[in-house]
Amino acid sequence: KAGVTQTPRYLIKTRGQQVTLSCSPISGHRSVSWYQQTPGQGLQFLFEYFSETQRNKGNFPGRFSGRQFSNSRSEMNVSTLELGDSALYLCASSFRGEGETQYFGPGTRLLVL
Amino acid sequence: GENVEQHPSTLSVQEGDSAVIKCTYSDSASNYFPWYKQELGKRPQLIIDIRSNVGEKKDQRIAVTLNKTAKHFSLHITETQPEDSAVYFCAASFSDYKLSFGAGTTVTVRA
Repeated sequence: KAGVTQTPRYLIKTRGQQVTLSCSPISGHRSVSWYQQTPGQGLQFLFEYFSETQRNKGNFPGRFSGRQFSNSRSEMNVSTLELGDSALYLCASSFRGEGETQYFGPGTRLLVL
Repeated sequence: GENVEQHPSTLSVQEGDSAVIKCTYSDSASNYFPWYKQELGKRPQLIIDIRSNVGEKKDQRIAVTLNKTAKHFSLHITETQPEDSAVYFCAASFSDYKLSFGAGTTVTVRA
């Protein structure tokens, strides 16, 4: 079974731009979570989607948004990029998203200049 | 929201010795506690998890203990090997579809 995939793997943007990241979960998994990983803050929860519905959201500004499609693929968008948004963005998938193993993708490394 | 604290932030052990990482959580309703290992440049991978109705779980050289009263849980690695060198993250969740992670522990196993 193929693992979680994320595209693109690397991105360089400038301040003020926007970016869209994509995540394809493991086949059959309907829950997708997004995390921001930085050296100083560790893994910070962004949001979780299940059956195209956002069920929880972390403490991030409204510039961070996401969505999930009917095939469970998910995208996250960051608008008006700031230097502090530079990070590794990880998505993780599971069957139902509650008390289960989450399988992580390789991440998208975003650099904002 | 859930707050998870993890200690120590770095841990250096001699090959063959044991390593212990401790985490505390704030939400007494938390019921699922996974541990992830992240090697340099790779994705986090689950190594063991425990639920609130269990006090201890073991898988070969790895064990996790949970003290619900004190709201802390620990990872124990015995007979450490060089391939155990990585960053380890603890996490906790209640039934809110959100995993809250600790800040991570960088473990270095000295040969």
